Amino acid sequence: DVKVTQSSRYLVKRTGEKVFLECVQDMDHENMFWYRQDPGLGLRLIYFSYDVKMKEKGDIPEGYSVSREKKERFSLILESASTNQTSMYLCASSPREGRNEQFFGPGTRLTVL
Amino acid sequence: TQLLEQSPQFLSIQEGENLTVYCNSSSVFSSLQWYRQEPGEGPVLLVTVVTGGEVKKLKRLTFQFGDARKDSSLHITAAQPGDTGLYLCAGELDSSYKLIFGSGTRLLVRP
Repeated sequence: DVKVTQSSRYLVKRTGEKVFLECVQDMDHENMFWYRQDPGLGLRLIYFSYDVKMKEKGDIPEGYSVSREKKERFSLILESASTNQTSMYLCASSPREGRNEQFFGPGTRLTVL
Repeated sequence: TQLLEQSPQFLSIQEGENLTVYCNSSSVFSSLQWYRQEPGEGPVLLVTVVTGGEVKKLKRLTFQFGDARKDSSLHITAAQPGDTGLYLCAGELDSSYKLIFGSGTRLLVRP
């Protein structure tokens, strides 16, 4: 059974803390994505990576950075968490070939106090 | 920029009723995907439509891609409580790694 796993389902952090969200996929996919999901706004792309050590900004990269040192792992970093980063964070992966059909992890609900 | 508009945003229906969800854009997509997301989980791909005018059926779900590849619809026949969830459409633009997601339709099917 193919999987995308995320390191935490729920996370509570304080304003100003550095936050790491980890995502691992076991499908040998080249592409990996980080989204945030907020009510009424759908999924908004933060960053994506199409290869190891490669990254591209999505639609809302401000306040975030990413790291992809290994093909199976894509990390999202909040350098200094703020309350407006309280959200559901979803990681996804897709193969290079095909229609970019994405496989999602279960999400991390992050609350920043 | 919201390129994909979904309607309705919310839908609450009785078990056994039919419903249609719409996904509209002014952009042309090379393909369009539909996902369903259940509470506390990530979205799961239901179907991908590629050709203008294409119709795909998945049991009681019928998906259609518009002739101009700018819009799509999802029709559910005889809805069941298990159909409850958030339905998301996502468009693939040519020469892009990105998917453009709609804002979603939240469906509740009451027993």
